[in-house]
Amino acid sequence: DAMVIQNPRYQVTQFGKPVTLSCSQTLNHNVMYWYQQKSSQAPKLLFHYYDKDFNNEADTPDNFQSRRPNTSFCFLDIRSPGLGDAAMYLCATSSSGSTLPRGQFFGPGTRLTVL
Amino acid sequence: GQQLNQSPQSMFIQEGEDVSMNCTSSSIFNTWLWYKQDPGEGPVLLIALYKAGELTSNGRLTAQFGITRKDSFLNISASIPSDVGIYFCAGLRSLIQGAQKLVFGQGTRLTINP
Repeated sequence: DAMVIQNPRYQVTQFGKPVTLSCSQTLNHNVMYWYQQKSSQAPKLLFHYYDKDFNNEADTPDNFQSRRPNTSFCFLDIRSPGLGDAAMYLCATSSSGSTLPRGQFFGPGTRLTVL
Repeated sequence: GQQLNQSPQSMFIQEGEDVSMNCTSSSIFNTWLWYKQDPGEGPVLLIALYKAGELTSNGRLTAQFGITRKDSFLNISASIPSDVGIYFCAGLRSLIQGAQKLVFGQGTRLTINP
């Protein structure tokens, strides 16, 4: 089945220690997104890649970076995690074509804990 | 940033009851989406709506895209325990390159008493 995969599902890091979260997809979608979701809130978009073009949201802190080495993979790097960065991180994909269904397809998420 | 007004924020119902939730916006969307999120998981797309007035079903779920393109509702009939979770509506905006910007509602948390 075509899907969005996130690893690891749970990540524990120490305050200030860099951490990388990964996402892969078998949907062959050309757009990939990273969201941050805190408890009982809607997902908040951090940035997206259209193919290799990186698009940052205006209010995304510099502490968050991303890499997309190829169509299938995308990484979220948190350079110096703070306690406020503890959250669920969601990867999503979409196609820029006109085929239906339109919409974004989410992975299962990575729950980040910062000690 | 903009957020859709989704109501109710929470619902406590008995198993077997029907459920209704809705979203409204001050601006127009050309596509409305409904997602369900289970605890500790990512949102799963339930229904996508593309045309004003469109009524679409997915099993026990029915959703409608409002005529004004500024609102949508989701109904769940004969609720069962696995319907528990948080339901999000989202309006979709297409960006220039073909990427998408989703504007989410606050979510409706559904709890079912057996």
